[in-house]
Amino acid sequence: IAGITQAPTSQILAAGRRMTLRCTQDMRHNAMYWYRQDLGLGLRLIHYSNTAGTTGKGEVPDGYSVSRANTDDFPLTLASAVPSQTSVYFCASSLKGLAGTNEQFFGPGTRLTVL
Amino acid sequence: ELKVEQNPLFLSMQEGKNYTIYCNYSTTSDRLYWYRQDPGKSLESLFVLLSNGAVKQEGRLMASLDTKARLSTLHITAAVHDLSATYFCAVFRMKTSYDKVIFGPGTSLSVIP
Repeated sequence: IAGITQAPTSQILAAGRRMTLRCTQDMRHNAMYWYRQDLGLGLRLIHYSNTAGTTGKGEVPDGYSVSRANTDDFPLTLASAVPSQTSVYFCASSLKGLAGTNEQFFGPGTRLTVL
Repeated sequence: ELKVEQNPLFLSMQEGKNYTIYCNYSTTSDRLYWYRQDPGKSLESLFVLLSNGAVKQEGRLMASLDTKARLSTLHITAAVHDLSATYFCAVFRMKTSYDKVIFGPGTSLSVIP
């Protein structure tokens, strides 16, 4: 693994189903993030984690949950998917949290369609 | 509420020309980022601007920050086709309840030979 990986690459999901998007980084970064990207809206922060064991809400957290059991993994769960959660999801990481001065590195993205 | 605007949203320019993309934000910010995204790809970090008057340059791109005007610019010098991409600015503001980062809508740049 080099950098950040996300799985799956794409997924079509029926509304009401539960879905977990996976994100793994091998850079030993302390902070990880989940964004969604929608046309015309740029990226919006869903949840973040400044260090293993802690998480925080971003701009659009409703309908999503995260956990950070260890440094490398930061899964995003949609408990009951709805069509408005159709989007491209990017995971990112940085050496320190958003309050630090470091840049973020982004994963390749997961394209999710909820029907 | 922190809002971030970019201007223009779409830009078509000829190779060899210069142009500037503007990023305005509505409230005090702690720092500003610029990213590049190629179609169907992920985001690549270009610059992190930390203080008023900060200027950073990488190749044909130069970014600056004026915190008093709440304005950042991304200047393109002698554009080449390889610079065709969407460019995002993002503004970070620390809050007591949660850290907040807001992305602009992006500027889609097309460099025409």
